[in-house]
Amino acid sequence: SYELTQPPSVSVSPGQTASITCSGDKLAEKLICWYQQKPGQSPVLVIYQDDKRPSGVPERFSGSNSGNTATLSISGSQAVDEADYYCQAWATSTVVFGGGTKLTVL
Amino acid sequence: QVQLVQSGAEVKKPGASVRVSCKASGYIFNSFGVSWVRQAPGQGLEWMGWISPYSGNTNYAQRFQGRVTMTTDTSTSTAYMELRSLRSDDTAVYYCARDMGLVVPGDWFDIWGQGTRVTVSS
Repeated sequence: SYELTQPPSVSVSPGQTASITCSGDKLAEKLICWYQQKPGQSPVLVIYQDDKRPSGVPERFSGSNSGNTATLSISGSQAVDEADYYCQAWATSTVVFGGGTKLTVL
Repeated sequence: QVQLVQSGAEVKKPGASVRVSCKASGYIFNSFGVSWVRQAPGQGLEWMGWISPYSGNTNYAQRFQGRVTMTTDTSTSTAYMELRSLRSDDTAVYYCARDMGLVVPGDWFDIWGQGTRVTVSS
């Protein structure tokens, strides 16, 4: 079965750029989306089709996908961005989620 | 506004079944798929399956096949997920989500319900 691998945790200082990776075999051949989930809340879509932002998502969120790695970047990180982030793809006839990355802004 | 409103929390005994509802509003129900995703306590997201309200076609994750049934009632814009033969490890928050895939699942999920907590305990 296809797997998406994310680092369990990433830390970033306020105002700096956070990069969260998602790795999988030939990932660039698939379309990736990213969700943000804060404690006790439902996930929120922040990036779809590798690099598109839904309306209402701040411009500081961006995405890329190349080779075997997709990256979610958050420029000018703020305390409000502290959350769990999940990548997701359609692969081998099923929806696959990465294991999630806890972003800490400190 | 566009939203999905799910039914309330459930407590079930092992071996029982649970049915969670998800009522859509603010958009044309038949124009988008509905996926179901669950999250066990302290764990990540797990996709369970998808249904197209337009065709009634379903696509279930392999590990749930034979134990899950997804249906829709287009007259009330409501999707349902039934999970049978519940075990303690089915304890989780269950989410419905609007799936941009109408013919096949998994494009992306742009609207999520508030979640339904299902507890399986004897």
